[in-house]
Amino acid sequence: DTEVTQTPKHLVMGMTNKKSLKCEQHMGHRAMYWYKQKAKKPPELMFVYSYEKLSINESVPSRFSPECPNSSLLNLHLHALQPEDSALYLCASSQPPGTQVTGELFFGEGSRLTVL
Amino acid sequence: AQKVTQAQTEISVVEKEDVTLDCVYETRDTTYYLFWYKQPPSGELVFLIRRNSFDEQNEISGRYSWNFQKSTSSFNFTITASQVVDSAVYFCALRRIGDSGYALNFGKGTSLLVTP
Repeated sequence: DTEVTQTPKHLVMGMTNKKSLKCEQHMGHRAMYWYKQKAKKPPELMFVYSYEKLSINESVPSRFSPECPNSSLLNLHLHALQPEDSALYLCASSQPPGTQVTGELFFGEGSRLTVL
Repeated sequence: AQKVTQAQTEISVVEKEDVTLDCVYETRDTTYYLFWYKQPPSGELVFLIRRNSFDEQNEISGRYSWNFQKSTSSFNFTITASQVVDSAVYFCALRRIGDSGYALNFGKGTSLLVTP
């Protein structure tokens, strides 16, 4: 069983809707990530939070808004999305780089988003 | 710049055959991590192995083995006596060690199909 839990597993939304994806981990990790994965492609990094602060934003459009309320939770707020935003959104966690860590990211099962 | 190349897009084998997935990487860093992840149809990225750049020891875990050759910048993955449950997309990935090492740089993935 994965130790990174994502909800919902599937989401269908219209272009005018506002929705949120949620991610939770209880491994004590202080870095959390959002990745986007299109079919038959590798995951692409969107955002990184380290110690609850946004560390990396890979030039993601503002219709995607991340939030890290505490060290265990990561949200991705969605508003006015486009059909091309349909993808699998993966959350991951790890210890932050630079700490005495093993380096791997642990991923959730993803939220499959369809924008109509 | 970092780059991971998985030249094999798709591989199809019959159950019980051995199969090797190739991974070649490029980096200017002297220290780094290499990873293999498995992504079954369910979507979750499952961590398989991490290798530090200063540890060239090969590793075996059950039917899985990994061959790290720093001289050729390769980190190949062999599945012995493949099974249908091994069918998945396999990603090789590279990550910096150190404060800037947040992102996993993924290869494009190799889709493995094991048929009975």
